Amino acid sequence: DAKTTQPPSMDCAEGRAANLPCNHSTISGNEYVYWYRQIHSQGPQYIIHGLKNNETNEMASLIITEDRKSSTLILPHATLRDTAVYYCIVSGANAGGTSYGKLTFGQGTILTVHP
Amino acid sequence: EPEVTQTPSHQVTQMGQEVILRCVPISNHLYFYWYRQILGQKVEFLVSFYNNEISEKSEIFDDQFSVERPDGSNFTLKIRSTKLEDSAMYFCASLGTDLNEKLFFGSGTQLSVL
Repeated sequence: DAKTTQPPSMDCAEGRAANLPCNHSTISGNEYVYWYRQIHSQGPQYIIHGLKNNETNEMASLIITEDRKSSTLILPHATLRDTAVYYCIVSGANAGGTSYGKLTFGQGTILTVHP
Repeated sequence: EPEVTQTPSHQVTQMGQEVILRCVPISNHLYFYWYRQILGQKVEFLVSFYNNEISEKSEIFDDQFSVERPDGSNFTLKIRSTKLEDSAMYFCASLGTDLNEKLFFGSGTQLSVL
């Protein structure tokens, strides 16, 4: 799976948008960009994923650049409960189809939302 | 939203003892996983399981580890003879039939080996 690069930490004021960047310059054509987060030591929680189009769900928006080499996760109105480690992960099926669900977690971005 | 359930939430054991960590994946899911996270470190893939056999395993998943789906609902991780370095949070996860969809993770079992 392609490697990702994220800033180690970011701050955001409560109620403002949090924009978390991710670089994945070696992404291949069949790989998706996934975002998960981990609050304290709980299990990772899925946020959103996309292939090449921008995506939006009830939690966040995902903006993927046209060349797919980077993406931004947007939490439109951050709350204190959004304080967590956010992981950008690139993953997809290999030729044998055995790597589904095998996510390679990096260190992620520690997002701190302050009042 | 459906949940992956893990028991126990905490497990304390003596070095050399066998432990079994239990997971109930989401009922219609077909792909099952174990991950672990040593305190302060990254979440690491251990093993994936499909159609009653291991699909892939990491180098961490040595002969001391085994997985089983004994009854069609539970998914277990057994560590045969625990070592101090096995102390970690162990997460179970499951995936449905759409293979490019999301993994659902359980809340984890904190294993402490003394």
